[in-house]
Amino acid sequence: KAGVTQTPRYLIKTRGQQVTLSCSPISGHRSVSWYQQTPGQGLQFLFEYFSETQRNKGNFPGRFSGRQFSNSRSEMNVSTLELGDSALYLCASSLVQGIYEQYFGPGTRLTVT
Amino acid sequence: AQTVTQSQPEMSVQEAETVTLSCTYDTSENNYYLFWYKQPPSRQMILVIRQEAYKQQNATENRFSVNFQKAAKSFSLKISDSQLGDTAMYFCAFMKTNAGNMLTFGGGTRLMVKP
Repeated sequence: KAGVTQTPRYLIKTRGQQVTLSCSPISGHRSVSWYQQTPGQGLQFLFEYFSETQRNKGNFPGRFSGRQFSNSRSEMNVSTLELGDSALYLCASSLVQGIYEQYFGPGTRLTVT
Repeated sequence: AQTVTQSQPEMSVQEAETVTLSCTYDTSENNYYLFWYKQPPSRQMILVIRQEAYKQQNATENRFSVNFQKAAKSFSLKISDSQLGDTAMYFCAFMKTNAGNMLTFGGGTRLMVKP
């Protein structure tokens, strides 16, 4: 069974631009969560989608948004990029909500210049 | 809100020896789960072990075991017979019960296993 895939793996954008990152969960998994990882702030929860509905949202500005499609694939969008948005963005999928193991993807490394 | 603290930014251990990574957390919740995740240099985050707060017995997975002290809000990870492949960042994480898949992570401990 294929693991969680994230595309693209690396991305360079300019301040003010917007970016869309994609996450394909493991087949059958319905929950997708997104995390931002930076050296300064560590790992921070962005949001979680389950059955196309956002179930949880972290403390991030409205420039960060996401969605989930009927096939459970998820995208996150960051508008009006700032230098501080440079980070590794990790996606994790889980069979359902709860204590089931979350499987992480390799991440998308976003650099904002 | 929950907070997770890992007080050891870096640790090292000789191959085949035992090392313990510390984690403390703060929460007003009574029902929750605790996890240790490993992030090797390749960056793929992997679950090492999990503990349900309602269980008094400490979780064990092969060479990995935890010491869960609920009253003290402490959740340490012990790695026995350390191997070179254990070199990685280790993150302690907290998740409330029945609140979705939202993990709160500690700052991480970088573990180096030396030959």
